[in-house]
Amino acid sequence: DTEVTQTPKHLVMGMTNKKSLKCEQHMGHRAMYWYKQKAKKPPELMFVYSYEKLSINESVPSRFSPECPNSSLLNLHLHALQPEDSALYLCASSSSRSLNSGANVLTFGAGSRLTVL
Amino acid sequence: TQLLEQSPQFLSIQEGENLTVYCNSSSVFSSLQWYRQEPGEGPVLLVTVVTGGEVKKLKRLTFQFGDARKDSSLHITAAQPGDTGLYLCAGNTGTASKLTFGTGTRLQVTL
Repeated sequence: DTEVTQTPKHLVMGMTNKKSLKCEQHMGHRAMYWYKQKAKKPPELMFVYSYEKLSINESVPSRFSPECPNSSLLNLHLHALQPEDSALYLCASSSSRSLNSGANVLTFGAGSRLTVL
Repeated sequence: TQLLEQSPQFLSIQEGENLTVYCNSSSVFSSLQWYRQEPGEGPVLLVTVVTGGEVKKLKRLTFQFGDARKDSSLHITAAQPGDTGLYLCAGNTGTASKLTFGTGTRLQVTL
């Protein structure tokens, strides 16, 4: 299994809703990532988990709350979002070998397209 | 913040033409990667370059890493409609887990 699976593929939510995005990989990767991508822009790093611990938070607003329940799963909990948070949210993973090599290669999921009304 | 600037931002060419995409920075990178992203999908890795001056070929695609490891180029020979997509360079610096993406080049190849 060489895939990163993200659910749901599409999500529409109101500003008062609480929802979650889910990401799963079974490649034994020990680093997992959340990226945000606005239309016609490159992906921007949000969070990095390394060995199930949060290692990087790129000053993301607290209305986005990441969670890594185990080495295969990564969640992004959403609460009180704004319309400008509408974007494609990409999950990625990389192996510990890649992470320590200086040439960290990421495997991306297809993304969850979020629309905040 | 390490900035990776790509040029051109957008390129529309006909099938059979050649093109080059550039990725430039003032920072030194331990490695540089190229990804291609199609609509509704995540980026997919094309190549990783790690040595200054390195050249890698992937069928009709040729990738080069600058001698000083601050820039890279992607050359496509005889472009095909299947090459259409968003091309992204991405670099690793001191923090290996932090991969920074370039500004992107959107390529459209028409018949």
